[in-house]
Amino acid sequence: GNSVTQMEGPVTLSEEAFLTINCTYTATGYPSLFWYVQYPGEGLQLLLKATKADDKGSNKGFEATYRKETTSFHLEKGSVQVSDSAVYFCALRIKAAGNKLTFGGGTRVLVKP
Amino acid sequence: SQTIHQWPATLVQPVGSPLSLECTVEGTSNPNLYWYRQAAGRGLQLLFYSVGIGQISSEVPQNLSASRPQDRQFILSSKKLLLSDSGFYLCAWTFGGGRYNEQFFGPGTRLTVL
Repeated sequence: GNSVTQMEGPVTLSEEAFLTINCTYTATGYPSLFWYVQYPGEGLQLLLKATKADDKGSNKGFEATYRKETTSFHLEKGSVQVSDSAVYFCALRIKAAGNKLTFGGGTRVLVKP
Repeated sequence: SQTIHQWPATLVQPVGSPLSLECTVEGTSNPNLYWYRQAAGRGLQLLFYSVGIGQISSEVPQNLSASRPQDRQFILSSKKLLLSDSGFYLCAWTFGGGRYNEQFFGPGTRLTVL
């Protein structure tokens, strides 16, 4: 079956620190990969995505590269801000009926000033 | 543009009471619709999805049910709530037909069962 594994949080950082959130997956096919972000009290927003191997998704200073050889999609940001405090979810989608997403467990990130 | 609405935003219900959460999408036709639950401190679990009116697929056995009476309306229900039904419920949609990858999420409903 399909599954996504993320590093457990919480991850606590100081402002301007480097952030990495690891994400690995198993999939029966060729998935599209996503990072979603959930700010406190809100629903999920798409942060970035990659649809094929070696694609790099980027948005708001965040980046993630689709690594087929290591089945990974690690999220990185070079200099975090307090406003980046949120829960980050890695997800995959196999093109099939229903467009279902399989999510990782989420990683809570807390950035302190 | 498309928008997704969920209500209520928060709900406190006693054990054994019924539940009805509503989700509506505007600005698109024939979307795929999804209900997720996020329990406290845990990830997202897909509960139901629907590719059309009256078509519901259940992902996990549970105390809840879903219905899609109209093209852009998705309802999550229960006849008798359990304590374990507490959580944050998210509705999502995507364009039908597999043309796009992204799912768009609503603001969520926080349900507390006492």
